[in-house]
Amino acid sequence: QVQLQESGPGLVKPSQTLSLTCAVSGGSINSGDYFWSWIRQHPGKGLEWIGYIFYSGNTYHNPSLKSRVTISLDTSRNQFSLKLSSVTAADTAIYFCARVPRIGGSFDIWGQGTMVTVSS
Amino acid sequence: EVVLTQSPGTLSLSPGEGATLSCRASQTVSSSYLAWYQQKPGQAPRLLIYGTSSRATGIPDRFSGSGSGTDFTLTISSLEPEDFAFYYCQQYGDSPLTFGGGTKVDIK
Repeated sequence: QVQLQESGPGLVKPSQTLSLTCAVSGGSINSGDYFWSWIRQHPGKGLEWIGYIFYSGNTYHNPSLKSRVTISLDTSRNQFSLKLSSVTAADTAIYFCARVPRIGGSFDIWGQGTMVTVSS
Repeated sequence: EVVLTQSPGTLSLSPGEGATLSCRASQTVSSSYLAWYQQKPGQAPRLLIYGTSSRATGIPDRFSGSGSGTDFTLTISSLEPEDFAFYYCQQYGDSPLTFGGGTKVDIK
């Protein structure tokens, strides 16, 4: 079965770039059947969609994050990545990666999530 | 963007009772692209319902979804101990994809 696992630094300094990776096992990200997405959850709060990427490299992201978001694929390693630039304390959150069926748009498989704190 | 408002904020019930959770959208959800998730503390959300009323793989039939337009409902017919958790609705008919603020179902 497909599994997703996030990894990356748990602490990032303000104004720096947050970088996370999601490793996909049990299936290929180089498939036209799915988008690969990032979602975050501020402590004790609800969920916020960050964006997603298709195997073609096309990306879509939440305008609320403006141009700070970059999502990319590494098909050789079967993983995808998130970069969020110019972070502030407001970017402190649990970051999840998830799979999205192309036909549909719900998040059917999730990683366990990784906590990222922005602090000096 | 489509704003989703969930009610009530908290639902206090006993095992065996039924639960009705509401999700109201600020505008019509395209093609009934509405999903429901369950989240327990320290865990990732789990997909329960997609397309308003289709159960995801492995989800028991005590969970059902209904609705259309701007009003959607998740019904749990008889609460099991493992059902006490947070529940979120999410729309994927329009970008950006958005989630509701959640309903907590706790033990009375």
